[in-house]
Amino acid sequence: GQQVMQIPQYQHVQEGEDFTTYCNSSTTLSNIQWYKQRPGGHPVFLIQLVKSGEVKKQKRLTFQFGEAKKNSSLHITATQTTDVGTYFCAGHNFNKFYFGSGTKLNVKP
Amino acid sequence: EADIYQTPRYLVIGTGKKITLECSQTMGHDKMYWYQQDPGMELHLIHYSYGVNSTEKGDLSSESTVSRIRTEHFPLTLESARPSHTSQYLCASSPGRGGDTQYFGPGTRLTVL
Repeated sequence: GQQVMQIPQYQHVQEGEDFTTYCNSSTTLSNIQWYKQRPGGHPVFLIQLVKSGEVKKQKRLTFQFGEAKKNSSLHITATQTTDVGTYFCAGHNFNKFYFGSGTKLNVKP
Repeated sequence: EADIYQTPRYLVIGTGKKITLECSQTMGHDKMYWYQQDPGMELHLIHYSYGVNSTEKGDLSSESTVSRIRTEHFPLTLESARPSHTSQYLCASSPGRGGDTQYFGPGTRLTVL
């Protein structure tokens, strides 16, 4: 069945270092979304990618959707302590969502 | 910010009790979802609904049931709670047309003793 794999599971970085999380689907997706969940909070929508090869930026965050629409990445430049949390991708296909397992980011000041 | 509410926020109950977790949204969204999430872990879809009188089981087997009698309301019921049900339960909704961004409620943290 449909699966969305996300790596790494955990990432510890020093403040100012970059961070990347990767999402891979076993099948082609119609779109992919990214969410952030702060510790003790609930997932909050960040962005949606729809087109093959699409790249979107939000300040220090860069989101990419692969050419085959089966993989995606989120890159954070120069992390800050406010970036701490778990980042989830969610692939959308045939009217269903498939959340990745999440990457937990810890940023040391 | 989305208008989706969950009550209670925290619940501690004894084994065998029947409980209902409430979820309401005021955005007129067609689609609603229930997820189970252990702290810091992945989200498991347990139920979803694409509209009134429509409910489906998710990917994670669950002993809970849901109903969708009104668009804005999607309660989840556990007939007999057990310690294995201890977890956080997140409700979400999405417009159901284009985009399909999911808006999450604050969650209910359930502890079954």
